[in-house]
Formats: sequence, C-alpha cells, structure tokens
Amino acid sequence: EDQVTQSPEALRLQEGESSSLNCSYTVSGLRGLFWYRQDPGKGPEFLFTLYSAGEEKEKERLKATLTKKESFLHITAPKPEDSATYLCAVRPGGTASKLTFGTGTRLQVTL
Amino acid sequence: KAGVTQTPRYLIKTRGQQVTLSCSPISGHRSVSWYQQTPGQGLQFLFEYFSETQRNKGNFPGRFSGRQFSNSRSEMNVSTLELGDSALYLCASSLEGGRGNEKLFFGSGTQLSVL
Repeated sequence: EDQVTQSPEALRLQEGESSSLNCSYTVSGLRGLFWYRQDPGKGPEFLFTLYSAGEEKEKERLKATLTKKESFLHITAPKPEDSATYLCAVRPGGTASKLTFGTGTRLQVTL
Repeated sequence: KAGVTQTPRYLIKTRGQQVTLSCSPISGHRSVSWYQQTPGQGLQFLFEYFSETQRNKGNFPGRFSGRQFSNSRSEMNVSTLELGDSALYLCASSLEGGRGNEKLFFGSGTQLSVL
C-alpha cells in the first residue's frame, strides 16, 4: 500500500529564515511525486511534479528535490505570504489518477 | 480558462439524509477525481472517473457513489449521512496521456456539515 509521511507537522519561521520540509514515501512504481500548497478554505494548488531521483524543480522561493525514498521542499528566505499547508502526494504506476497524500506541513512565517 | 467549479460551497444536513455534490472540470479535462479532507485523516481518495467510467475507487463504504456525464461534469452522492461524513469534499480534474499531464487541478471544495 502506498504511504506518504510528512514532517514536521507544523513549522514556524521568521521572515527570511530558510528551512526544509520533508516527505518520505513508499509507492509501487512511482509515476510522479507532487507538491501542493493549500490555503485555509481553498483547494490544494499545484506547485511541482517530480518524476525521478535526482530531479529538482524551482519556483520563486521554493525548490523541490527527489530521492528514491523522500522529497524535500526547500523554502529560501520565506515571506509571510508563504504561510500555508504544504502537501506531498505520490501517484503509482498505471493509468489511474489516484494520489496518496501526506497529512501536510502547516507553515507559518512571521515578520 | 475557468478552473474546477464545485457547487454548493457549503452544505448543512442532518443524519440520515442524502446529499449530492457537483463538479465541473476544466474544459478539455476528461478525468475527474473526488477526495475527502478531514483534519485528522488529511486527503483521502474516494473515486476517479474517466470518460463516464469509474476507473478507481478508494476504501469508502457503498454509501458514497459518483457518476460522470458525457460533458465530463461529475456528481458524487452520499446516502444515509453520518456525523463522521462531515468534511471538505474536493473535486479535481486532469488531462490524460503523456508525461506532464498527471497533475490534478482542484476546486475549492464543498464543506459538508452533518448535524
């Protein structure tokens, strides 16, 4: 059974204080690992897809990396608007679009 | 391009009632998935439809059902509501075929409260 574990559950940073979020996974035939951002009262918003170990993707202050067992979301010099819950999900091989999600990391960035 | 639209945004029901939620995917997207999100369990997969056929189903009781229409719009139904069904129900759509088309686009969800 596919499993995704995210840590920490919650993280409080000061503006400009860089950090990393962790996503550990087990999946049968990884077809993709996804990072989403979710704001309160809204649906998850897509950030990145990673396909194979060693791959990296960047967007503004966010950088996602992937190994065979885990993924990291690095946040460089965060701003208060980066406050959100960050979700990691995996899609197994095959045609179905089922994603298995972790329970997320709640990030709060303060001034 | 319009995003995924879910209606209604909020629903309040009582135990034993049934409810129908609606989802309109992004134009051109033929795959529609439904997820239940609760504070304790996170997002859990309910089912996925592609070209009006259920392609995959999660571990939920038979009270949860869905369907997809020829225009790709989808509905999910929950019968005999229980208190534990209170959750945010999210619909997501995606393109199919080829690398890069696997990402899901989510709607804002329907917040269901069962009293």
